[in-house]
Amino acid sequence: GQNIDQPTEMTATEGAIVQINCTYQTSGFNGLFWYQQHAGEAPTFLSYNVLDGLEEKGRFSSFLSRSKGYSYLLLKELQMKDSASYLCAVMDSNYQLIWGAGTKLIIKP
Amino acid sequence: GAVVSQHPSWVICKSGTSVKIECRSLDFQATTMFWYRQFPKQSLMLMATSNEGSKATYEQGVEKDKFLINHASLTLSTLTVTSAHPEDSSFYICSARGGTTHYEQYFGPGTRLTVT
Repeated sequence: GQNIDQPTEMTATEGAIVQINCTYQTSGFNGLFWYQQHAGEAPTFLSYNVLDGLEEKGRFSSFLSRSKGYSYLLLKELQMKDSASYLCAVMDSNYQLIWGAGTKLIIKP
Repeated sequence: GAVVSQHPSWVICKSGTSVKIECRSLDFQATTMFWYRQFPKQSLMLMATSNEGSKATYEQGVEKDKFLINHASLTLSTLTVTSAHPEDSSFYICSARGGTTHYEQYFGPGTRLTVT
């Protein structure tokens, strides 16, 4: 079966760095996505990785290792507004997105 | 660019009535649109995928006669919840693909449905 695993909840301090991990097992692979979702709102796109390595975009970076079925989202210089759920999703061989359950990130002052 | 709108943003209806939710891609042609449902504190659950001009493909366990999807044009898809019941109360989100990239899905703001 297809499976995406990510921690349910994480807590970090304002100004710090946090890494949210995601492991996956899917039927085929056409890329991995990270989305941010604030409570009561729709997800917003953060990043897309299809090749191994690190993609940096401002305070957010995303890493992919296809051989390990592993990705992480790195958030630097955390701000209170970063409190949200972070969703990992993999596009399978049918170009369907398989979603993880999301990681709720709590930022404390 | 790549903006997707949904209407209404929230709706309250009585049990047994039908509700239509619209999803529009405002500045691009959406070759594929997706409908998701999300219950509180749970992840997105894909309900169906629709391509313009063809019948929607429903995920296992989703009743196609209850959740009617129409993708009549490259910028509009509608989801009609027929004979709604309280257990249909949820956050319904559409997304569209077909913008500048072939892979990215652009999400609408969602519609919160409450059935009383």
